[in-house]
Amino acid sequence: DQQVKQNSPSLSVQEGRISILNCDYTNSMFDYFLWYKKYPAEGPTFLISISSIKDKNEDGRFTVFLNKSAKHLSLHIVPSQPGDSAVYFCAAFLTGANNLFFGTGTRLTVIP
Amino acid sequence: SAVISQKPSRDICQRGTSLTIQCQVDSQVTMMFWYRQQPGQSLTLIATANQGSEATYESGFVIDKFPISRPNLTFSTLTVSNMSPEDSSIYLCSVGEGMGEQFFGPGTRLTVL
Repeated sequence: DQQVKQNSPSLSVQEGRISILNCDYTNSMFDYFLWYKKYPAEGPTFLISISSIKDKNEDGRFTVFLNKSAKHLSLHIVPSQPGDSAVYFCAAFLTGANNLFFGTGTRLTVIP
Repeated sequence: SAVISQKPSRDICQRGTSLTIQCQVDSQVTMMFWYRQQPGQSLTLIATANQGSEATYESGFVIDKFPISRPNLTFSTLTVSNMSPEDSSIYLCSVGEGMGEQFFGPGTRLTVL
């Protein structure tokens, strides 16, 4: 059973515009949520995270929003740059289980 | 952060054979993790490897199929045994300490014919 879902396998955005990547989860006990970025032939790299007690975390061009009632989080990238083109994975962490649950990823393409 | 290397980066193997994947970290870490990413799928945790103890396997993964060694705080191996085409995946090791943030190696792309 997939506890973390990314329903959009791909997204294309013009350079300079906003990219919004979405993620849904089913387990209300998750206490941290993370976004990873993955380039071809490389492992995922950590991008940004948010605690379940917050609803927003911002780091430069990247902002993650958490809506606990909807069990939904999103990653906003503003402005989008061609170097942002990668696969983005949403992940959720359960303290005690020490396990990261990953979504299937969204391939972002930023068009120059 | 940690710098993680994996060997081999890719391999093509015949069914019925075994492959051992190595993971080396540039610093001492307590917890190391092994993941599998099948084509078009998410990353799935195979097992957690702590130095000095048996690896802890997730549901659906067994030691006979995926034996793991963790001889010290900077190194681990994962063996994929008696391979079949269904084992064709990217295998990744990672390290992490709490809060879910993990650092990943570049992965090993395995193709089983």
